[in-house]
Amino acid sequence: KAGVTQTPRYLIKTRGQQVTLSCSPISGHRSVSWYQQTPGQGLQFLFEYFSETQRNKGNFPGRFSGRQFSNSRSEMNVSTLELGDSALYLCASSLDRGLYEQYFGPGTRLTVT
Amino acid sequence: KNQVEQSPQSLIILEGKNCTLQCNYTVSPFSNLRWYKQDTGRGPVSLTIMTFSENTKSNGRYTATLDADTKQSSLHITASQLSDSASYICVVIGRSNDYKLSFGAGTTVTVRA
Repeated sequence: KAGVTQTPRYLIKTRGQQVTLSCSPISGHRSVSWYQQTPGQGLQFLFEYFSETQRNKGNFPGRFSGRQFSNSRSEMNVSTLELGDSALYLCASSLDRGLYEQYFGPGTRLTVT
Repeated sequence: KNQVEQSPQSLIILEGKNCTLQCNYTVSPFSNLRWYKQDTGRGPVSLTIMTFSENTKSNGRYTATLDADTKQSSLHITASQLSDSASYICVVIGRSNDYKLSFGAGTTVTVRA
């Protein structure tokens, strides 16, 4: 069974630009969650989508948005990039939440200059 | 204040030795606690998932313990190998409608030959 895939793996953007990251979950998984990981803040929850609906959201500004498609693939968008947005963005998929196992993708390393 | 505190922040051990990582949490009500291993530049990989009724769970050389009364968990690594060098993250999932995830900052383990 293929794992969670994320594209692109690495990205360099300039302050003020916008970026879209993509995540393909494990087949059959309907829940997709996004996380930001930085050396200073550790892992922080961005949002979770389930069956195309945002079910949960972390404490991030409105510049961070996402969506999920009918095939459960998800995209995350960050507009008006700031230097502080430089981070590893991780996507995780699961059958559902609660006790279900979450499987993480390799992440997208975003660098904002 | 973070609801999940991990200690130590980092540690160095010799190959073949044992070590124990600590996780204290204040999340309540509590659904389950997870330990993840994250290699540098990779996404986290689940090691164990424990509900409040479980005291011990093993995954090969990794053994996690949980004391739900004192809200403490530990991860014991037996006979460490060079491949155990990684960051170990404790995650606590609350038992509420949104199953909120609270992350520890992680413990970085370095195994030296």
